[in-house]
Amino acid sequence: QVQLVQSGAEVGTPGASVKLSCKASGYSFTTYYMHWLRQAPGQGLEWMGIINPSGGSTKYAQKFQGRVTMTRNTSTSTVYMELNSLTSDDTAVYYCARDILVVSGTLSYWGQGTLVTVSS
Amino acid sequence: SSELTQDPAVSVALGQTVRITCQGNSLRNYFANWYQQKPGQAPVLVFYGKNNRPSGIPDRISGSTSGNTASLTITEAQAEDEADYYCSSRDISGNHGLFGGGTKLTVL
Repeated sequence: QVQLVQSGAEVGTPGASVKLSCKASGYSFTTYYMHWLRQAPGQGLEWMGIINPSGGSTKYAQKFQGRVTMTRNTSTSTVYMELNSLTSDDTAVYYCARDILVVSGTLSYWGQGTLVTVSS
Repeated sequence: SSELTQDPAVSVALGQTVRITCQGNSLRNYFANWYQQKPGQAPVLVFYGKNNRPSGIPDRISGSTSGNTASLTITEAQAEDEADYYCSSRDISGNHGLFGGGTKLTVL
């Protein structure tokens, strides 16, 4: 069965960076695009970007351009999301989610989420 | 503009029918996806595309689109349907994802 297992909770300081991981299993890793989203406490879902695990190409939401980097390791079926220059507004649960098709924008499988807390 | 607008909260009596709506210009070009999220849990896809329901989702849940408005309809609402519901689609450019602000559904 498809599983997305995310790394554990992180605490970051303002100005620092955080790198989260999402390990996929149960399907062909390089076939389906992977999305990253976040959800601030008590707020809605926010789409951050997408990565093609096959070639590594990415597209980022304009809000995060220049501050986010998504990468992948095909040998371990893992995607990564690094966010730089953290502020308190980056405190959120971060999700990876797999597309239902190669790339459609429909997210059929979700990781359990990683809580990132930014605090001095 | 690339935005999806949802009512913040909707309520429905147990066993009745409720419609949750999502408005946005991108819906004229792209179908909506609908996700259900319960407290402390990751979202779950409940309806997508023109007429698609993932396995395990009851057929009491359905979706439709007219013009720039997508709707998620829940018939015979159950207590278990109480959750936040989010619509999503691609933005106008087709290159990025877009989410509505979410609708909190209360089952009375």
